[in-house]
Amino acid sequence: DGGITQSPKYLFRKEGQNVTLSCEQNLNHDAMYWYRQDPGQGLRLIYYSQIVNDFQKGDIAEGYSVSREKKESFPLTVTSAQKNPTAFYLCASSITRDTDTQYFGPGTRLTVL
Amino acid sequence: QQQVKQSPQSLIVQKGGISIINCAYENTAFDYFPWYQQFPGKGPALLIAIRPDVSEKKEGRFTISFNKSAKQFSLHIMDSQPGDSATYFCAASIGGNKLVFGAGTILRVKS
Repeated sequence: DGGITQSPKYLFRKEGQNVTLSCEQNLNHDAMYWYRQDPGQGLRLIYYSQIVNDFQKGDIAEGYSVSREKKESFPLTVTSAQKNPTAFYLCASSITRDTDTQYFGPGTRLTVL
Repeated sequence: QQQVKQSPQSLIVQKGGISIINCAYENTAFDYFPWYQQFPGKGPALLIAIRPDVSEKKEGRFTISFNKSAKQFSLHIMDSQPGDSATYFCAASIGGNKLVFGAGTILRVKS
């Protein structure tokens, strides 16, 4: 099946620890995105990548880092510098940087204890 | 700064009724306006989208109405069903990049 895979679905970490969220797509899409979802706030863009080995900060990049070494993979690291990391994280992709439709993965719910 | 304002926050509709969700935007450069549907614990899925060169787009029971002069667009769900119960997000973008989302509307359709 083609699509976007995010793992794990639930993730628990202690405060002060870095954690990496996985996002893989087999849609052959050039562009990939990371969003954070909090209740009542919609989705906010963390980072996006339009091609391999290139990525740009979104609206709330502080405390996060990404890499794009392969076209199909766009992992997100939530660092200890992120002040309020508990949230639902969504990965998305689109065919190209100029393509309108973004396809979302199932999300990872991160809880920092 | 929120660039897309969505209302209401929550909505309860009787089965068979019409659900209406509204969004207003500020940036006149936006040229793509999608609506996403999200079920609990899942990622959002594109429902329907419109560009500012048309005032209305219909796909099955779902219709987007677009008012360029008022900088507003809305989603109408006709003959609402319990299976439509979900969170709906409007969004906007320039050239298909960097979607800006509204805060979401939780829709509950009572049977």
